[in-house]
Amino acid sequence: EAQVTQNPRYLITVTGKKLTVTCSQNMNHEYMSWYRQDPGLGLRQIYYSMNVEVTDKGDVPEGYKVSRKEKRNFPLILESPSPNQTSLYFCASSLEGVNQPQHFGDGTRLSIL
Amino acid sequence: KNQVEQSPQSLIILEGKNCTLQCNYTVSPFSNLRWYKQDTGRGPVSLTIMTFSENTKSNGRYTATLDADTKQSSLHITASQLSDSASYICVPFSPSGGYQKVTFGTGTKLQVIP
Repeated sequence: EAQVTQNPRYLITVTGKKLTVTCSQNMNHEYMSWYRQDPGLGLRQIYYSMNVEVTDKGDVPEGYKVSRKEKRNFPLILESPSPNQTSLYFCASSLEGVNQPQHFGDGTRLSIL
Repeated sequence: KNQVEQSPQSLIILEGKNCTLQCNYTVSPFSNLRWYKQDTGRGPVSLTIMTFSENTKSNGRYTATLDADTKQSSLHITASQLSDSASYICVPFSPSGGYQKVTFGTGTKLQVIP
């Protein structure tokens, strides 16, 4: 089954404790992206990747890092999480770019205390 | 800055009734616009895409319209079902030199009640 898988689905942690949210897709998609979704705001793009070893900032990249060492994986790293990063996070992928339908994971709800 | 405004923010309708959701955008240049459906607790799923040359496109009970001149799009849902309860998100795309950023609307939350 074609899918984007995120882990964990839920995480409660404390300020400053490094964490990684994994994202994996099995559709051989070139493009992958991370978003955060907050109440009253639309999905906001954090980082995206056009291909292996090619990443770029979205609209809200501060406090986040990503890597794309393999085509299928695109982990989101919070080196020193802060409470303002409490949010619902989505990973997405598409065949070649944002102009095509993006397939989203089911989300990761992060709470930073 | 590119902006996307959707209205209404939320809507409650009776099962079987029709409804129309609106999307106004300021993206320029404009290439296409996609509507997503997001069920509670799930990621968005693409419903339909409208290119700048299209005026209307249907996907089952969903019909999207686009007026690229006035930068407006609408999503019409016919004979609503309980399963239509979700947020509907409008996403216009601007082909700015291969830039792959995208701006999502805040969505309209639709609740269909029996």
